[in-house]
Amino acid sequence: GDSVTQMEGPVTLSEEAFLTINCTYTATGYPSLFWYVQYPGEGLQLLLKATKADDKGSNKGFEATYRKETTSFHLEKGSVQVSDSAVYFCALSGHLRNTPLVFGKGTRLSVIA
Amino acid sequence: GAGVSQSPSNKVTEKGKDVELRCDPISGHTALYWYRQSLGQGLEFLIYFQGNSAPDKSGLPSDRFSAERTGGSVSTLTIQRTQQEDSAVYLCASSLPGLASNEQFFGPGTRLTVL
Repeated sequence: GDSVTQMEGPVTLSEEAFLTINCTYTATGYPSLFWYVQYPGEGLQLLLKATKADDKGSNKGFEATYRKETTSFHLEKGSVQVSDSAVYFCALSGHLRNTPLVFGKGTRLSVIA
Repeated sequence: GAGVSQSPSNKVTEKGKDVELRCDPISGHTALYWYRQSLGQGLEFLIYFQGNSAPDKSGLPSDRFSAERTGGSVSTLTIQRTQQEDSAVYLCASSLPGLASNEQFFGPGTRLTVL
């Protein structure tokens, strides 16, 4: 079945450092790919998404590019802030509409001033 | 116009008791999902409703778990004879039909603690 593998944390960075969180997937067809974020004490929020190969999703300075050749969707940010401290989840939705999301295990990011 | 809401936000129960968790999806969203978030297991799919179709129950961990969706809107997840391993955050999500991306919108979750 479909699966998502993301780098395990926790990841600790200093403010203004460059962030990469790796995510690879296994799926049939052409899934949609997502990054969700969970800030402390809050629910899951969609951070960005991409629906087809070579699409780049971006939001709040975060970016991820849908790479079909490497089945990857790595999350990047050029300069992290303390407020980015959260748990980040990579997820996919199968090629059929309205299918449940398959999540990675999550990566906890802590940014220190 | 509000987002997905869930109640209660926290539930503490004793082992062996039944619990009901409620989800109000975004108005107009015909797809509704339940997930469970627990330490060590990450986010797991439980059950999925799409319109009037039979629900996809493939993620339910045991027959103690069941869910209903009345009138295509509100959903209730019921756990019978709760066990300590049922302790987790139960998340509900809904999505809009026709969206190619299948973006799902999540509620704040219900934290269930089984003593």
